[in-house]
Amino acid sequence: QTVVTQEPSLTVSPGGTVTLTCASSTGAVTTGYYPNWFQQKPGQPPRALIYSTNNRHSWTPARFSGSLLGGKAALTLSGVRPEDEAEYYCLLYYGGGWIFGGGTQLTVL
Amino acid sequence: QVQLQESGPGLVEPSQTLSLTCTVSGGSISSGGYYWRWVRQPAGRGLEWIGHISSSGATNYNPSLKGRVTMSLDTSNNQFSLILSSVTAADTAVYYCVREFGVWGQGTPVTVSS
Repeated sequence: QTVVTQEPSLTVSPGGTVTLTCASSTGAVTTGYYPNWFQQKPGQPPRALIYSTNNRHSWTPARFSGSLLGGKAALTLSGVRPEDEAEYYCLLYYGGGWIFGGGTQLTVL
Repeated sequence: QVQLQESGPGLVEPSQTLSLTCTVSGGSISSGGYYWRWVRQPAGRGLEWIGHISSSGATNYNPSLKGRVTMSLDTSNNQFSLILSSVTAADTAVYYCVREFGVWGQGTPVTVSS
C-alpha cells in the first residue's frame, strides 16, 4: 500500500521561513506526481495553495512556494504570519488515483 | 466565481446507501473539461480522495472503496452526485465536493449509525 508521509508537526517563529515536505513510499517524488498543497484551519474546508509542484492559485500569497527537494515535494513559507498556523496537506498523483499525506500541523510561535 | 454546495442526509444506517449531491453555481459542470471530485475527512483525521467524474462523464474511484462508489452528473440541474453503498461506521466523515482540487464546498457531515 502506497503511503505519503509528511512531518507530523513543525514550529516556526513569526517572520521566519519553514519548509514542509511530502515523501512517497514508492520512491522519489517527481513532477509526474503533480504535487498539490492545501491549508486547512479548524472548522473550515481545505484551501488549495499549490498545484503541479510549484504553481500558485490566483488567491495564494506569494510567500507560499512549492518545489521538489531531495526527492520530496516541498512547500516553503517565507515571512510567516500568525494566520499561517494551520494543518497543511500534500497530495500526490499515482496513475489515475490520488493520495493525500497525513498532514503537518504548523505552529507559529 | 464558481461555488459548490453539498447536500444529503446527515445520518445513514449501517449497511445502507449514502447519497450526496453537489450543486454547482457560477459555472456549468458540462463545460471546461474539469474533474468533479469527492473527498472525505473523518473527524480529527486526514483527507481521503474518494473519486472523480469528468465533465464528459468518465469516472475514476479510489480502489480502497472496493467497488462501493458510483458518481454521476446531472447536467440539467448542474449537479453531480456520490453514491456509497454498504456503509459502515468507518464511512463516518465530512464529505467535500471539489472542482479539480482548487474549489471546495463547505462540506457536509455524515454519520453512519443505527
